[in-house]
Amino acid sequence: EIVMTQSPATLSVSPGEGATLSCRASKSVSRNLAWYQQKPGQAPRLLIYDTSARATGIPARFSGSGGGTEFTLTISSLQSEDFAVYYCQQYDSWPPLTFGGGTKVEI
Amino acid sequence: QVQLVQSGAAVKKPGSSVKVSCKASGGNFATGVFSWVRQAPGQGFEWIGGMMGYYGTAIYAQKFRGRVLITTDDSTTTVYMELSSLTSEDTAVYFCARGPVDIQTSMLFLEYWGQGTLVTVSS
Repeated sequence: EIVMTQSPATLSVSPGEGATLSCRASKSVSRNLAWYQQKPGQAPRLLIYDTSARATGIPARFSGSGGGTEFTLTISSLQSEDFAVYYCQQYDSWPPLTFGGGTKVEI
Repeated sequence: QVQLVQSGAAVKKPGSSVKVSCKASGGNFATGVFSWVRQAPGQGFEWIGGMMGYYGTAIYAQKFRGRVLITTDDSTTTVYMELSSLTSEDTAVYFCARGPVDIQTSMLFLEYWGQGTLVTVSS
């Protein structure tokens, strides 16, 4: 099973600033990595797939990069609605699909 | 567009079973790739298993094999997840999710999500 590790656990950012979130895989997942955003009481929303492709309707301030075992989600200028928990997920080797533990982006 | 609507919250006794439904609309249901994922209170996500409609095959995480059953009903476009031998550790929100509609033969990212179903296991 591929273990996904996210850092930091919590990121404190001011509105308008940028944020960089990291995700590391225990073995290479090529570029088969997705990012999700989850707000309290809601289902996750797909942001990024295939490492860097934005899902439908996702603003350009969200971007993904990386490959192999190291991945990054960058939010260029945080808006109030971006404060949430972000998860990465690999789909290179399954079963099982596996998720990182999440990064909470707080004000 | 794809929509997934799940059944309501459930409270179960330890040792019992729960069956959660997920009504899908939009996309080709019969060839869809569906997953069940759970989230314990304050925790991250755990993939339980999925159904690959194109092959008519369910695939399960090793942890849940033997006590989970994922089925579909094409006539009602509904996916079901039944989990047995419940313990307090199964208390979680259970989500159904679907992969991209144009990919029928692989588990990938989860593009569409249901609203979640809270399952509470308590004596």
